[in-house]
Amino acid sequence: DAGVTQSPTHLIKTRGQQVTLRCSPKSGHDTVSWYQQALGQGPQFIFQYYEEEERQRGNFPDRFSGHQFPNYSSELNVNALLLGDSALYLCASSFRGTGLHYGYTFGSGTRLTVV
Amino acid sequence: QQQVKQSPQSLIVQKGGIPIINCAYENTAFDYFPWYQQFPGKGPALLIAIRPDVSEKKEGRFTISFNKSAKQFSLHIMDSQPGDSATYFCAAPQGAQKLVFGQGTRLTINP
Repeated sequence: DAGVTQSPTHLIKTRGQQVTLRCSPKSGHDTVSWYQQALGQGPQFIFQYYEEEERQRGNFPDRFSGHQFPNYSSELNVNALLLGDSALYLCASSFRGTGLHYGYTFGSGTRLTVV
Repeated sequence: QQQVKQSPQSLIVQKGGIPIINCAYENTAFDYFPWYQQFPGKGPALLIAIRPDVSEKKEGRFTISFNKSAKQFSLHIMDSQPGDSATYFCAAPQGAQKLVFGQGTRLTINP
Protein backbone atom coordinates (compact mmCIF):
# COMPACT_ATOMS: atom_id res chain seq x y z
CA ASP A 1 0.00 0.00 0.00
CA ALA A 2 1.70 3.17 -1.22
CA GLY A 3 1.84 5.95 1.31
CA VAL A 4 2.09 9.63 0.47
CA THR A 5 4.37 10.32 -2.48
CA GLN A 6 6.04 13.68 -2.96
CA SER A 7 8.15 14.97 -5.83
CA PRO A 8 10.78 16.12 -6.31
CA THR A 9 12.75 15.11 -3.21
CA HIS A 10 15.21 17.97 -3.52
CA LEU A 11 15.11 21.25 -5.40
CA ILE A 12 17.38 24.27 -5.70
CA LYS A 13 15.88 27.52 -6.97
CA THR A 14 17.06 31.09 -7.35
CA ARG A 15 15.49 33.96 -5.43
CA GLY A 16 12.55 35.38 -7.38
CA GLN A 17 11.78 32.18 -9.24
CA GLN A 18 8.64 30.10 -8.99
CA VAL A 19 8.38 26.47 -7.88
CA THR A 20 5.76 23.70 -8.03
CA LEU A 21 5.78 20.77 -5.64
CA ARG A 22 3.63 17.69 -6.11
CA CYS A 23 1.89 15.24 -3.80
CA SER A 24 -0.04 12.00 -4.29
CA PRO A 25 -2.06 11.08 -1.19
CA LYS A 26 -2.30 7.67 0.42
CA SER A 27 -4.84 5.36 -1.16
CA GLY A 28 -8.27 5.99 0.36
CA HIS A 29 -7.44 9.52 1.53
CA ASP A 30 -9.29 12.50 0.09
CA THR A 31 -7.80 15.47 1.96
CA VAL A 32 -4.35 16.96 1.42
CA SER A 33 -2.60 19.39 3.76
CA TRP A 34 0.69 21.14 3.15
CA TYR A 35 3.17 22.06 5.85
CA GLN A 36 6.43 23.99 5.86
CA GLN A 37 9.16 22.74 8.20
CA ALA A 38 12.11 25.07 8.68
CA LEU A 39 15.34 23.55 9.94
CA GLY A 40 15.06 22.68 13.63
CA GLN A 41 11.38 23.67 13.82
CA GLY A 42 8.04 21.92 13.90
CA PRO A 43 5.87 21.80 10.79
CA GLN A 44 3.78 24.92 10.12
CA PHE A 45 0.40 24.58 8.41
CA ILE A 46 0.19 26.24 5.00
CA PHE A 47 -3.23 25.15 3.71
CA GLN A 48 -5.54 22.22 3.15
CA TYR A 49 -7.45 20.99 0.12
CA TYR A 50 -10.60 18.93 0.01
CA GLU A 51 -12.95 18.41 -2.93
CA GLU A 52 -10.57 20.49 -5.06
CA GLU A 53 -11.05 23.58 -2.89
CA GLU A 54 -8.84 25.30 -0.34
CA ARG A 55 -10.61 24.71 2.98
CA GLN A 56 -8.23 26.19 5.55
CA ARG A 57 -5.21 28.43 5.30
CA GLY A 58 -2.41 29.16 7.73
CA ASN A 59 -0.47 32.37 8.14
CA PHE A 60 1.28 32.31 4.78
CA PRO A 61 1.28 35.02 2.09
CA ASP A 62 -0.56 34.78 -1.20
CA ARG A 63 2.71 33.80 -2.89
CA PHE A 64 1.80 30.32 -1.65
CA SER A 65 -1.01 28.75 -3.64
CA GLY A 66 -2.20 25.28 -4.37
CA HIS A 67 -4.45 23.03 -6.29
CA GLN A 68 -6.13 19.66 -5.84
CA PHE A 69 -7.03 17.46 -8.78
CA PRO A 70 -10.00 15.09 -9.17
CA ASN A 71 -7.76 12.12 -8.28
CA TYR A 72 -7.00 13.88 -4.94
CA SER A 73 -3.39 14.65 -5.83
CA SER A 74 -2.21 18.15 -5.08
CA GLU A 75 0.32 20.80 -6.02
CA LEU A 76 1.89 23.55 -3.97
CA ASN A 77 3.09 26.61 -5.87
CA VAL A 78 5.34 29.29 -4.47
CA ASN A 79 5.96 32.47 -6.46
CA ALA A 80 8.67 35.10 -6.08
CA LEU A 81 10.84 32.85 -3.94
CA LEU A 82 12.63 34.35 -0.96
CA LEU A 83 15.67 32.98 0.84
CA GLY A 84 13.38 32.41 3.83
CA ASP A 85 11.28 29.96 1.82
CA SER A 86 14.10 27.42 2.12
CA ALA A 87 12.58 24.54 4.08
CA LEU A 88 11.24 21.02 3.96
CA TYR A 89 7.75 21.04 2.47
CA LEU A 90 5.58 18.23 3.75
CA CYS A 91 2.39 16.89 2.29
CA ALA A 92 0.00 15.11 4.63
CA SER A 93 -3.07 13.19 3.57
CA SER A 94 -6.09 12.12 5.59
CA PHE A 95 -9.67 10.93 5.17
CA ARG A 96 -12.22 13.64 5.81
CA GLY A 97 -14.62 11.21 7.41
CA THR A 98 -12.28 10.25 10.26
CA GLY A 99 -10.46 13.54 10.52
CA LEU A 100 -7.34 13.80 12.62
CA HIS A 101 -8.12 11.06 15.06
CA TYR A 102 -6.52 8.40 12.92
CA GLY A 103 -3.65 10.72 12.17
CA TYR A 104 -2.23 12.29 9.15
CA THR A 105 0.03 10.29 6.85
CA PHE A 106 3.00 12.44 5.90
CA GLY A 107 5.20 12.13 2.86
CA SER A 108 8.97 12.34 3.13
CA GLY A 109 8.88 15.91 1.90
CA THR A 110 10.55 18.09 -0.68
CA ARG A 111 13.69 19.89 0.47
CA LEU A 112 13.62 23.33 -1.18
CA THR A 113 16.75 25.46 -1.12
CA VAL A 114 16.53 29.05 -2.37
CA VAL A 115 19.87 30.65 -3.29
CA GLN B 1 1.09 32.84 18.92
CA GLN B 2 2.56 29.55 20.07
CA GLN B 3 -0.20 27.21 21.16
CA VAL B 4 1.90 24.14 21.98
CA LYS B 5 5.16 24.56 23.89
CA GLN B 6 7.54 21.60 23.92
CA SER B 7 10.60 20.92 26.06
CA PRO B 8 13.44 20.10 26.12
CA GLN B 9 14.79 21.02 22.69
CA SER B 10 17.31 18.19 22.86
CA LEU B 11 17.85 15.19 25.11
CA ILE B 12 20.59 12.60 25.41
CA VAL B 13 19.90 9.37 27.30
CA GLN B 14 21.78 6.14 27.77
CA LYS B 15 20.32 2.96 26.36
CA GLY B 16 17.72 1.55 28.73
CA GLY B 17 16.97 4.95 30.25
CA ILE B 18 13.55 6.64 30.21
CA PRO B 19 13.52 9.90 28.25
CA ILE B 20 10.63 12.21 29.06
CA ILE B 21 9.43 14.94 26.71
CA ASN B 22 6.93 17.52 27.87
CA CYS B 23 4.33 19.67 26.16
CA ALA B 24 2.11 22.45 27.44
CA TYR B 25 -0.91 23.74 25.61
CA GLU B 26 -3.05 26.84 25.95
CA ASN B 27 -6.34 26.08 24.24
CA THR B 28 -8.62 24.06 26.48
CA ALA B 29 -10.76 23.22 23.45
CA PHE B 30 -8.08 20.83 22.20
CA ASP B 31 -9.48 17.29 22.26
CA TYR B 32 -6.72 15.15 20.84
CA PHE B 33 -3.02 15.07 21.60
CA PRO B 34 -0.77 13.09 19.26
CA TRP B 35 2.96 12.55 19.28
CA TYR B 36 4.85 12.25 16.02
CA GLN B 37 8.28 10.71 15.43
CA GLN B 38 10.53 11.96 12.64
CA PHE B 39 13.72 10.35 11.39
CA PRO B 40 16.22 12.31 9.28
CA GLY B 41 15.09 12.60 5.69
CA LYS B 42 11.59 11.38 6.48
CA GLY B 43 8.26 12.98 7.23
CA PRO B 44 6.73 12.77 10.71
CA ALA B 45 4.87 9.55 11.54
CA LEU B 46 2.12 9.18 14.14
CA LEU B 47 3.53 7.41 17.20
CA ILE B 48 0.80 7.51 19.82
CA ALA B 49 -2.15 9.78 20.69
CA ILE B 50 -4.40 10.44 23.67
CA ARG B 51 -7.78 12.05 24.30
CA PRO B 52 -8.23 14.31 27.36
CA ASP B 53 -10.73 11.97 29.03
CA VAL B 54 -7.94 9.58 30.06
CA SER B 55 -4.81 10.30 32.09
CA GLU B 56 -2.48 7.74 30.54
CA LYS B 57 -2.11 5.65 27.42
CA LYS B 58 0.51 2.98 26.71
CA GLU B 59 1.50 1.46 23.40
CA GLY B 60 4.45 -0.86 23.68
CA ARG B 61 7.36 1.07 25.18
CA PHE B 62 5.70 4.45 24.62
CA THR B 63 3.44 6.10 27.20
CA ILE B 64 1.58 9.40 27.14
CA SER B 65 0.71 10.96 30.49
CA PHE B 66 -1.94 13.68 30.44
CA ASN B 67 -2.62 16.31 33.11
CA LYS B 68 -5.74 18.21 32.13
CA SER B 69 -5.70 20.64 35.05
CA ALA B 70 -2.11 21.67 34.29
CA LYS B 71 -2.74 21.62 30.53
CA GLN B 72 0.32 19.44 30.03
CA PHE B 73 1.07 16.11 28.43
CA SER B 74 4.26 14.14 28.21
CA LEU B 75 5.83 11.25 26.33
CA HIS B 76 7.83 8.57 28.15
CA ILE B 77 9.91 5.96 26.34
CA MET B 78 10.60 2.88 28.44
CA ASP B 79 13.77 0.82 27.92
CA SER B 80 14.98 3.27 25.27
CA GLN B 81 17.02 1.92 22.37
CA PRO B 82 19.45 3.59 19.92
CA GLY B 83 16.81 3.06 17.22
CA ASP B 84 14.54 5.47 19.12
CA SER B 85 16.94 8.30 18.28
CA ALA B 86 14.79 10.74 16.32
CA THR B 87 13.00 14.07 16.62
CA TYR B 88 9.72 13.93 18.49
CA PHE B 89 6.88 16.42 18.07
CA CYS B 90 3.80 16.90 20.19
CA ALA B 91 0.78 18.37 18.47
CA ALA B 92 -2.79 19.46 19.03
CA PRO B 93 -5.67 20.02 16.64
CA GLN B 94 -6.92 23.42 15.61
CA GLY B 95 -10.28 22.72 14.03
CA ALA B 96 -11.23 19.39 12.56
CA GLN B 97 -8.31 18.84 10.24
CA LYS B 98 -5.34 21.05 11.12
CA LEU B 99 -2.54 20.20 13.55
CA VAL B 100 -0.45 22.68 15.51
CA PHE B 101 2.99 21.25 16.29
CA GLY B 102 5.48 21.89 19.05
CA GLN B 103 9.01 22.88 18.12
CA GLY B 104 10.36 19.36 18.49
CA THR B 105 12.79 17.46 20.73
CA ARG B 106 15.87 15.89 19.24
CA LEU B 107 16.39 12.66 21.19
CA THR B 108 19.68 10.75 21.14
CA ILE B 109 19.95 7.33 22.77
CA ASN B 110 23.56 6.38 23.34
CA PRO B 111 24.46 2.66 23.18
